[in-house]
Amino acid sequence: KQEVTQIPAALSVPEGENLVLNCSFTDSAIYNLQWFRQDPGKGLTSLLLIQSSQREQTSGRLNASLDKSSGRSTLYIAASQPGDSATYLCAAPTGAGNMLTFGGGTRLMVKP
Amino acid sequence: DTAVSQTPKYLVTQMGNDKSIKCEQNLGHDTMYWYKQDSKKFLKIMFSYNNKELIINETVPNRFSPKSPDKAHLNLHINSLELGDSAVYFCASSLRVVHGYEQYFGPGTRLTVT
Repeated sequence: KQEVTQIPAALSVPEGENLVLNCSFTDSAIYNLQWFRQDPGKGLTSLLLIQSSQREQTSGRLNASLDKSSGRSTLYIAASQPGDSATYLCAAPTGAGNMLTFGGGTRLMVKP
Repeated sequence: DTAVSQTPKYLVTQMGNDKSIKCEQNLGHDTMYWYKQDSKKFLKIMFSYNNKELIINETVPNRFSPKSPDKAHLNLHINSLELGDSAVYFCASSLRVVHGYEQYFGPGTRLTVT
């Protein structure tokens, strides 16, 4: 059974800092890993999807890496801005049906 | 323009009632899902539905049943609502059911059972 863990649970940084969010998973036989952003009271926005054959995926100031052998993924946010404040979730498909198992999320606050 | 939409956005009802939440996607995807986000903000899969094939998470009570009138819609019916059913329910879709396809989420429906 896949288990996904995110550390830290919460993070507060000053604007402009580069930061790394961590995601670990127990079953390394994953096809991909997806990172999402959730704003308070809102739905999930897909940020990046890394296929198992990839090691990195980039979108703007975001860079996600995947290391299947160690069961880890990281989301790197460069030059953080107050608008980046949100909860960031990672998720991996598990079992049949492409159903996602989510981590508990990292709540990020970027202070002006 | 909305890719995955849900109605209603908010639903307040009493214990014992039966209610439905509707989901529609205009992405032409084959597969749809329902997830539940509890009060601690933890997201859990409930169902995956693809071409009339339903895959159920074993922890979901049989009071919950998805119904799909066509490929673009997957509604969630809940019978005999309980206090513990209060949560935010998210619908999602992906192009195919096999692993490797990105999932797109709806805005969520906040269900409150009193």
